[in-house]
Amino acid sequence: DTGVSQNPRHKITKRGQNVTFRCDPISEHNRLYWYRQTLGQGPEFLTYFQNEAQLEKSRLLSDRFSAERPKGSFSTLEIQRTEQGDSAMYLCASSFGGGTTEAFFGQGTRLTVV
Amino acid sequence: AQTVTQSQPEMSVQEAETVTLSCTYDTSESDYYLFWYKQPPSRQMILVIRQEAYKQQNATENRFSVNFQKAAKSFSLKISDSQLGDAAMYFCAYLKGRGSTLGRLYFGRGTQLTVWP
Repeated sequence: DTGVSQNPRHKITKRGQNVTFRCDPISEHNRLYWYRQTLGQGPEFLTYFQNEAQLEKSRLLSDRFSAERPKGSFSTLEIQRTEQGDSAMYLCASSFGGGTTEAFFGQGTRLTVV
Repeated sequence: AQTVTQSQPEMSVQEAETVTLSCTYDTSESDYYLFWYKQPPSRQMILVIRQEAYKQQNATENRFSVNFQKAAKSFSLKISDSQLGDAAMYFCAYLKGRGSTLGRLYFGRGTQLTVWP
């Protein structure tokens, strides 16, 4: 499968716990994006990388959120001290960059904080 | 700030008929792109159609076409000969920039399309 892969697909955690999600982009894509989508809303931008450099972070990305892309390949999104308001679908997307506009999305990780 | 507005939370259409989904956006940029993405119940977002702001010609992809009105900042999607598989959430999205300055997508809240047999 050469699409964007996200793991896990579902995560249930207790409030206050830390969680980490992984995204594997399409192999030749140098741009990687994280979005959050709550029920009935469109995806909201969190952050994006070009290779290993984090180029932009949203105000939504509080200090409890951190994202990395250490070798410019896969990326992780960690949420510390989860809150119920963090419950959402977390979407990863990748694109080739260099003027290519199409972003390819993964199937997302659904987080439920109880 | 860039905003994308989809004023129709839900739409429905009979199979084989035509439906139009509306989208307006706000920007002060001259270089940008507009998209319609489809999100079926499996949740994976799929690109339906793309429009470059610098092109006056409306984009068309098979049964999908857009009506791009740059001055009015309007970007509607027309689905012709609707099929049951078209049922999904449709998101209008905006991408600022051109070439190496391209950034992130701004999405509307979506329109849930139901297709009746």
